[in-house]
Amino acid sequence: SAVISQKPSRDICQRGTSLTIQCQVDSQVTMMFWYRQQPGQSLTLIATANQGSEATYESGFVIDKFPISRPNLTFSTLTVSNMSPEDSSIYLCSVSSGLITDTQYFGPGTRLTVL
Amino acid sequence: DQQVKQNSPSLSVQEGRISILNCDYTNSMFDYFLWYKKYPAEGPTFLISISSIKDKNEDGRFTVFLNKSAKHLSLHIVPSQPGDSAVYFCAARAGAGSYQLTFGKGTKLSVIP
Repeated sequence: SAVISQKPSRDICQRGTSLTIQCQVDSQVTMMFWYRQQPGQSLTLIATANQGSEATYESGFVIDKFPISRPNLTFSTLTVSNMSPEDSSIYLCSVSSGLITDTQYFGPGTRLTVL
Repeated sequence: DQQVKQNSPSLSVQEGRISILNCDYTNSMFDYFLWYKKYPAEGPTFLISISSIKDKNEDGRFTVFLNKSAKHLSLHIVPSQPGDSAVYFCAARAGAGSYQLTFGKGTKLSVIP
């Protein structure tokens, strides 16, 4: 399985500001994903980060709020824009080699608190 | 509406005994299921998976059972060890070409020495 790192591991931010989370993988991967886990809730897919094109967002998530970049096959960023306390969550990136039955492997997560 | 449900938020088991974690789903399009384990301050770690063409998959102390007619799967851990104490998430994927995983809310397992 790939080794995935995320930066920062945690942050406390003021409402109205933006935070960019980085995800780095130690090998080239086809698919990268961004998830959110709100307190007491399950993991929810925000978007699929596509290399060389715009991300594909799930229902309820929009590019203006969660812009995503994926400049190459080992790196992606998720920005949480114009934050409010409701954005306080754990944000996780995951990767997959892209095979239909392949497993997704997760990074350690970024714990975000918005005051 | 939750498509993947883990109705037990927590479970306590004595060391050496069997742990059974349950998961129910509603979407009949789900054809691949996974279990993840999560320790505090870490990301979910893949544990075991099962395709809908099977009814059982085993890996060491971990066995996953799938009952398609009941839309139910379970994870058995035998024997349970204190290091198994973690939150366990059930996840499902809907069909070929879909990479989206739908997760349950998790069950916190505590294995008591």
